[in-house]
Amino acid sequence: GAVVSQHPSWVICKSGTSVKIECRSLDFQATTMFWYRQFPKQSLMLMATSNEGSKATYEQGVEKDKFLINHASLTLSTLTVTSAHPEDSSFYICSAEDNSNQPQHFGDGTRLSIL
Amino acid sequence: AQSVAQPEDQVNVAEGNPLTVKCTYSVSGNPYLFWYVQYPNRGLQFLLKYITGDNLVKGSYGFEAEFNKSQTSFHLKKPSALVSDSALYFCAQGAAGNKLTFGGGTRVLVKP
Repeated sequence: GAVVSQHPSWVICKSGTSVKIECRSLDFQATTMFWYRQFPKQSLMLMATSNEGSKATYEQGVEKDKFLINHASLTLSTLTVTSAHPEDSSFYICSAEDNSNQPQHFGDGTRLSIL
Repeated sequence: AQSVAQPEDQVNVAEGNPLTVKCTYSVSGNPYLFWYVQYPNRGLQFLLKYITGDNLVKGSYGFEAEFNKSQTSFHLKKPSALVSDSALYFCAQGAAGNKLTFGGGTRVLVKP
């Protein structure tokens, strides 16, 4: 089945640091990748939709200069949390799909803790 | 705006008993509906989907879901729950731009 790899799985860093999270589709080409944020005991909040070779589409209220998304190839999208602060601490999950009728396949998430 | 409701925050069931996790969706022409499961500190695993066709959809790990258009529901069911089914379950509806609208999630606790 379709596999999405997300790296790193856990990050702890100091306030002010920028953190890059990678999302890779291992056995299929992902035309679209999605980035979500999940707070404890809550549902997933869509942050942005990323299409290969074009600018990401951000959801309302998500700062695009804060959360930089790059989708340089059909198998890789990255999310960079710039100048991270404690309020950015969260569980970030990516997903990928190859066409609209197929389910999104999710990575295992990245737990980001900013001290 | 599209919305997905999971009315129960938590469902408790004894191992071996039937499990039902409820989901209702907002009305649309031809809804695309999904169920995912999440284990602690993990991403979401796809269980099943409804696009069109039979109202009873069979998925992974013995789960199934019934699409009911008149009640706008898509409840997840398993005839005999296992302790290992304890997890967080999300119902989702496909939206424009291939996005997913998620329900709030239901925590399932299966007791031995």
